[in-house]
Amino acid sequence: GQNIDQPTEMTATEGAIVQINCTYQTSGFNGLFWYQQHAGEAPTFLSYNVLDGLEEKGRFSSFLSRSKGYSYLLLKELQMKDSASYLCAVLDSNYQLIWGAGTKLIIKP
Amino acid sequence: GAVVSQHPSWVICKSGTSVKIECRSLDFQATTMFWYRQFPKQSLMLMATSNEGSKATYEQGVEKDKFLINHASLTLSTLTVTSAHPEDSSFYICSATIPEDREVRTQYFGPGTRLLVL
Repeated sequence: GQNIDQPTEMTATEGAIVQINCTYQTSGFNGLFWYQQHAGEAPTFLSYNVLDGLEEKGRFSSFLSRSKGYSYLLLKELQMKDSASYLCAVLDSNYQLIWGAGTKLIIKP
Repeated sequence: GAVVSQHPSWVICKSGTSVKIECRSLDFQATTMFWYRQFPKQSLMLMATSNEGSKATYEQGVEKDKFLINHASLTLSTLTVTSAHPEDSSFYICSATIPEDREVRTQYFGPGTRLLVL
């Protein structure tokens, strides 16, 4: 079966750095997405990785290792507004998007 | 670019009534749209994939006669919850992909519609 694992909840301090991990087992791979979802709102696109390595976009970076079936989202200089759920999703060989359950990130002052 | 809107954002209705939710791609033509449902504190659940001009593909366990999907134009897909019941109360979200984006297929989400059935 297809499976995506990410921690249910994480807590971090304002101004700090946090890394949210995602491991996946899917039938094929055509890329991995990270989305941010604030409570009561729809997801917004953060990043897409299809090649191994680190993609940096401002305070957010996303890393992918296809051989390990592993990705992480790195958030730097955390702000209170970063409190949200972060969803990992993988595009499988049929171009179907397989969603993780999401990681709820709590930022404390 | 890639803006998706949904209407209405909130619906409160009586049990047994039907509710129609619209999803529009505002600045692009979306040949494929997706409908999701999300219960409180749970992850997104894909309900169906909607392709313009053809019948929607429903996920296992989703009743196609209860959740009617119409994708009649390249910018509009509608989801109708027929004979809604309290257990249908949920957050319904649509998304769309840009046709030219055949390799990446990033999904851009509408703001969602919160449905409460009394």
